[in-house]
Amino acid sequence: DAGVTQSPTHLIKTRGQQVTLRCSPKSGHDTVSWYQQALGQGPQFIFQYYEEEERQRGNFPDRFSGHQFPNYSSELNVNALLLGDSALYLCASSRGGVDYGYTFGSGTRLTVV
Amino acid sequence: KQEVTQIPAALSVPEGENLVLNCSFTDSAIYNLQWFRQDPGKGLTSLLLIQSSQREQTSGRLNASLDKSSGRSTLYIAASQPGDSATYLCAVRRITTSGTYKYIFGTGTRLKVLA
Repeated sequence: DAGVTQSPTHLIKTRGQQVTLRCSPKSGHDTVSWYQQALGQGPQFIFQYYEEEERQRGNFPDRFSGHQFPNYSSELNVNALLLGDSALYLCASSRGGVDYGYTFGSGTRLTVV
Repeated sequence: KQEVTQIPAALSVPEGENLVLNCSFTDSAIYNLQWFRQDPGKGLTSLLLIQSSQREQTSGRLNASLDKSSGRSTLYIAASQPGDSATYLCAVRRITTSGTYKYIFGTGTRLKVLA
C-alpha cells in the first residue's frame, strides 16, 4: 500500500522563477494538505484541497497556489520565488470528513538561490 | 490565536533513560492532539493521536497524555534507544469558525539518545 508520494525530492531554483511540486495521496485518501517547514521550525499550513477545491488556506500570499486532480493528486505552485521560500514542503493526505491523523510524505526540499 | 510551545527545544540523554517531552497550547478548544516524529530532512511519522475526550494513548514504549484544561500534553518515552533520536513535534487540531479544521504545530524537541 503506497503511502504519500512527493516529487521531486530536491530542487534548486533561482529567485523570481516559478516552481511546481507534486503529491500523490495515500491509497483511499481524497484530501491533500500542503505545509511549509522552514529549517528549525514546525510545519506551517499552506492550504488544503478536497473535491478539487481549495477548502482552507493559511497565511500565505497569492504567489502560492494549488490544484487537485480527479485522481486526488495535487500540485503546489509558487510564483516569483523569494529566498525566504527555501524550505521543506510537506504534503499530507487524509480522508475528508473522517477524523484520522494525517499521513505525511517525505517532502520536497526547495532551495532558492 | 492558538500557539503551541514545546520544551525543551533540544535534549540529550544516555541510552536507557526514561524521558518526558512537553507540549503546551494556549487555546483549550482543540479537537485532538497528535505527536509526530521527524528524522532529519524527512517527512513526519505519526506516533500517537489523542482525541479531546481522551486522557492518554499508549503505543509500545510511548505514552502520551493530554490535559485540555491546563493546555498541556506530555510524551513519555521509556527505556530510550539511539534509534529514538529524532525531532518530536506536537500538533493541535482545532475547528475553525468556518467549520473546517487545521493543525498548528509546535517547533519541536530535538532528541539525541547517546549509546
